[in-house]
Amino acid sequence: EIVLTQSPGTLSLSPGERATLSCRASQSVSSSHLAWYQQKPGQAPRLLIYGTSSRATGIPDRFSGSGSGTDFTLTISRLEPEDFAVYYCQQYGGSPQFTFGPGTKVDIK
Amino acid sequence: QVQLVESGGGLVKPGGSLRLSCAASGFIFSDYMSWIRQAPGKGLEWVSYISSSGSTIYYADSVKGRFTISRDNPKNSLYLQMNSLRADDTAVYYCARGGDGHWAFDVWGQGTMVTVSS
Repeated sequence: EIVLTQSPGTLSLSPGERATLSCRASQSVSSSHLAWYQQKPGQAPRLLIYGTSSRATGIPDRFSGSGSGTDFTLTISRLEPEDFAVYYCQQYGGSPQFTFGPGTKVDIK
Repeated sequence: QVQLVESGGGLVKPGGSLRLSCAASGFIFSDYMSWIRQAPGKGLEWVSYISSSGSTIYYADSVKGRFTISRDNPKNSLYLQMNSLRADDTAVYYCARGGDGHWAFDVWGQGTMVTVSS
């Protein structure tokens, strides 16, 4: 089973700053099988990025994804007030089996 | 409007059973679906997968043998039968739609809370 690790656990930033979130897999993950979600308190997760770098419908272009193999990154170029939330990476490992990382909380500094 | 609406959650005693439902609307109910749960204050855990036709089903090890996923395509509905419930099954349960052509979940319901406690 592939285990996902996310870092940092919490990222404290100010609006307008750039956020860089990391997702590391215990084994190589196909680039087409890595996704990112945003979750705000009391809400369901929302798909941001699929296939490592493709934005989901309606997602603003300040969100971008990159990476390959075992190291993946979600970048928010300039934080807006509504971007403060928890972010999860997720991979598909065949069978099918899906695993999520533990999350990174982006909070206001 | 593309929408998933879960129902059926509640309080149940350890060892008890519960059946969750997920009603889909606004799209053709022909994609793979999953149940995903989130324990209070914790992260996301995938629970089960069902293919578009219902012929292929998978479960997380934590629920295998206790939970059963099913779907009724003409009724645009997804189900999760949960038996032998344990305290660590306490969570918000989300149904989610698999994306077309990719292995991510592009539509989520609002979730239904399941509490297992005596």
